[in-house]
Amino acid sequence: EVVLTQSPGTLSLSPGERATLSCRASQSVSSNYLAWYQQKPGQAPRLLIYGASSRATGIPDRFSGSGSGTDFTLAINRLEPEDFAVYYCQLYGSSPIFTFGPGTKVDI
Amino acid sequence: QVQLVQSGSELKKPGASVKVSCRASGYTFTNYALNWVRQAPGQGPEWMGWINTASGNPTYAPGFTGRFVISMDTSVSTAYLQISTLKAEDTAIYYCARKPFYFYHMDVWGQGTTVTVSS
Repeated sequence: EVVLTQSPGTLSLSPGERATLSCRASQSVSSNYLAWYQQKPGQAPRLLIYGASSRATGIPDRFSGSGSGTDFTLAINRLEPEDFAVYYCQLYGSSPIFTFGPGTKVDI
Repeated sequence: QVQLVQSGSELKKPGASVKVSCRASGYTFTNYALNWVRQAPGQGPEWMGWINTASGNPTYAPGFTGRFVISMDTSVSTAYLQISTLKAEDTAIYYCARKPFYFYHMDVWGQGTTVTVSS
């Protein structure tokens, strides 16, 4: 089973700053299988990025994803107040089919 | 618009059963797999399993076999998650989420159903 590690656990930033979130897999994976989600309190997760770098429908271009192999990054340029949330990376695999990372909280 | 609408919150006693529904609208139900994801209080999401809506075949994650049953009724575009012999540790928010076939992510999520197990 591939294990996902996210860092940092918490990222304290101000509106207008850039956030860089890391997701590391315990072994090399296809970038097709890596997605990122945003979750705000009391809400369901929302798909941001799929295939490591493709933005989902309606996601602002200040969100970008990159990476390959074992190291993937979600960057958020010019943080808006609504971007303060928890971010999860997710991997598609064999068993279990979907695995989520532990999350990074972006707060003010 | 594309939506997944889940049934309401449930309060159950240990040992009881619960059946959560997820009704799809705005798209062809059988063109997307339907997943169930659990989120315990203060924890991250955990994938429980999915159902291939084209074949009706469910697949379960390790740890979600035996007491958990995923089913569907295509006539009403609805998927179901049934949990039997409920335990306190089943207390969580349960989400359904759509997965496009031949892609590897979940693009539309239901609003979540809170299941509380308490005596």
